[in-house]
Amino acid sequence: GQQVMQIPQYQHVQEGEDFTTYCNSSTTLSNIQWYKQRPGGHPVFLIQLVKSGEVKKQKRLTFQFGEAKKNSSLHITATQTTDVGTYFCAGPRNAGNNRKLIWGLGTSLAVNP
Amino acid sequence: DAGITQSPRHKVTETGTPVTLRCHQTENHRYMYWYRQDPGHGLRLIHYSYGVKDTDKGEVSDGYSVSRSKTEDFLLTLESATSSQTSVYFCAINTGEVGSYNEQFFGPGTRLTVL
Repeated sequence: GQQVMQIPQYQHVQEGEDFTTYCNSSTTLSNIQWYKQRPGGHPVFLIQLVKSGEVKKQKRLTFQFGEAKKNSSLHITATQTTDVGTYFCAGPRNAGNNRKLIWGLGTSLAVNP
Repeated sequence: DAGITQSPRHKVTETGTPVTLRCHQTENHRYMYWYRQDPGHGLRLIHYSYGVKDTDKGEVSDGYSVSRSKTEDFLLTLESATSSQTSVYFCAINTGEVGSYNEQFFGPGTRLTVL
């Protein structure tokens, strides 16, 4: 069945180091979203990528959508303690409409000050 | 956060009792979703709604039912709670607006403990 996989599952970094998480889909995605969930919080929508090869930036965060639209990455430059949380990618489920998503299991980021 | 509230925010109940969780949105968005989140399983879709009285099952719907009699409210019911339903429950919406895609916006969550 359709799957979305994220690696790594966990990442510890020192503050100031860079961080990257990768998202790989078993199927071609029409679009992909990234979300951040702080500890004890709810997932918060960060960004959506739609075009093949698309790159978007939000301050220190850079998001890429692969040329084949089957993979994506989130790169954080010079991490800060405020970046702590779990980052999820999600894409539309193939079957049916209704804007359902299939989710990766997330990458949990810990930042040591 | 798209005006989404969930109630209650925390609940402790006993096995076998019925439980209803409420999701309320203030902006008349078409699509609403109920997820549960458990360690190691990420977000799993329980049920979703694509309009008033239009609902369908997600990937983990056994033991859960839903109702949407008004655009703004989406109710999740555990008919007879079991310990395996201890989880954090999130409601989410998709605006369904022209030009939008699949982005979802989440409520604050309900932490449910079934003893």
